[in-house]
Amino acid sequence: NAGVTQTPKFQVLKTGQSMTLQCAQDMNHNSMYWYRQDPGMGLRLIYYSASEGTTDKGEVPNGYNVSRLNKREFSLRLESAAPSQTSVYFCASRTGAGANVLTFGAGSRLTVL
Amino acid sequence: AQRVTQPEKLLSVFKGAPVELKCNYSYSGSPELFWYVQYSRQRLQLLLRHISRESIKGFTADLNKGETSFHLKKPFAQEEDSAMYYCAQRGNFNKFYFGSGTKLNVKP
Repeated sequence: NAGVTQTPKFQVLKTGQSMTLQCAQDMNHNSMYWYRQDPGMGLRLIYYSASEGTTDKGEVPNGYNVSRLNKREFSLRLESAAPSQTSVYFCASRTGAGANVLTFGAGSRLTVL
Repeated sequence: AQRVTQPEKLLSVFKGAPVELKCNYSYSGSPELFWYVQYSRQRLQLLLRHISRESIKGFTADLNKGETSFHLKKPFAQEEDSAMYYCAQRGNFNKFYFGSGTKLNVKP
């Protein structure tokens, strides 16, 4: 049982390049999330998906797009990377039925030069 | 939008000393609050949630609606408690909002 799996673990991009961060969970959770973690800023919600086919903006959605391909997968795309998007990105999924606990992936460290 | 405030970026205590990590949240009629912890080289994981009223690894947190606080406490800190701690609140539409985090350093 892998839980939440993120790829890649590390990535270096040049300004203007595009890339997609992949996230998959095998816990049959409906809700999935993308956060970015920056020193002094904590975790900030980028996008959220309540279920397959639905997505909603979080606190810092600008410069990102997401796709909830199916129940398992939730990808985050940077169309034109900027140095301000240098961060560690975390994917999470949520247990339902009132438990409301987030299970996190290991993180993806992205550097934009 | 919900806001979670953790005023301390770094908290250093000696082993065996009491520790309190502060968290304040924005008003909500029925808040749902959590503490998450990230140990070095490990994933972010749930430490405890107020609804369970539980003690995990000696840590407790009490919800104070009057002060809109959810401080994390432990009477005797251990070196293995050194980690990054995040307070979180469940907001509208099941969006979860995190504070900026407090790094706890327990010195021997």
